Amino acid sequence: AQSVAQPEDQVNVAEGNPLTVKCTYSVSGNPYLFWYVQYPNRGLQFLLKYITGDNLVKGSYGFEAEFNKSQTSFHLKKPSALVSDSALYFCAVRERGNNRLAFGKGNQVVVIP
Amino acid sequence: SAVISQKPSRDICQRGTSLTIQCQVDSQVTMMFWYRQQPGQSLTLIATANQGSEATYESGFVIDKFPISRPNLTFSTLTVSNMSPEDSSIYLCSVRSSDNTEAFFGQGTRLTVV
Repeated sequence: AQSVAQPEDQVNVAEGNPLTVKCTYSVSGNPYLFWYVQYPNRGLQFLLKYITGDNLVKGSYGFEAEFNKSQTSFHLKKPSALVSDSALYFCAVRERGNNRLAFGKGNQVVVIP
Repeated sequence: SAVISQKPSRDICQRGTSLTIQCQVDSQVTMMFWYRQQPGQSLTLIATANQGSEATYESGFVIDKFPISRPNLTFSTLTVSNMSPEDSSIYLCSVRSSDNTEAFFGQGTRLTVV
């Protein structure tokens, strides 16, 4: 079975400071890993993905994430947070060969001006 | 990326009635997915809809409650039947990228059952 854990409920960060949103996963085989962002009253927007290759992946709006196989983690990072980054962030995993996408519970990010 | 249009964007419905949600994609796709996001919760997959075959439902979801149509490769509908307040959620339609990796989502249908 595949699953995702996002241990924190809310992440508060001051504008301009580094932002990290944590994600760990569990799969039987090799994973596809994703981050999505959801703004109020909107659907989910794709941020970035890890499929294969370089463990550090870069995505939209200056976000990046690092795949760490030994720690089964895929933490989302941004060097300098903006107030407009305040939103709900979801980590998701899909085991190769499996059509189902498993989501974490989501993290509310609040960037304080 | 795919452009996905969902209608309606929101609705308030009386308990016991049914609502049909439409999902239109700007390109042909093999699989379409329907998710539910209950208030303050994550996304849960309801079913996978393939054109020309019956939808595949996840555990806890049944066809009588959530009938799905998939008449062609760009369109699907999800009906929420005999609604109760517990059905109040955001319902999202999703498709895969052309390389079958990331998922794209519609803007969702916010349903409130009173």
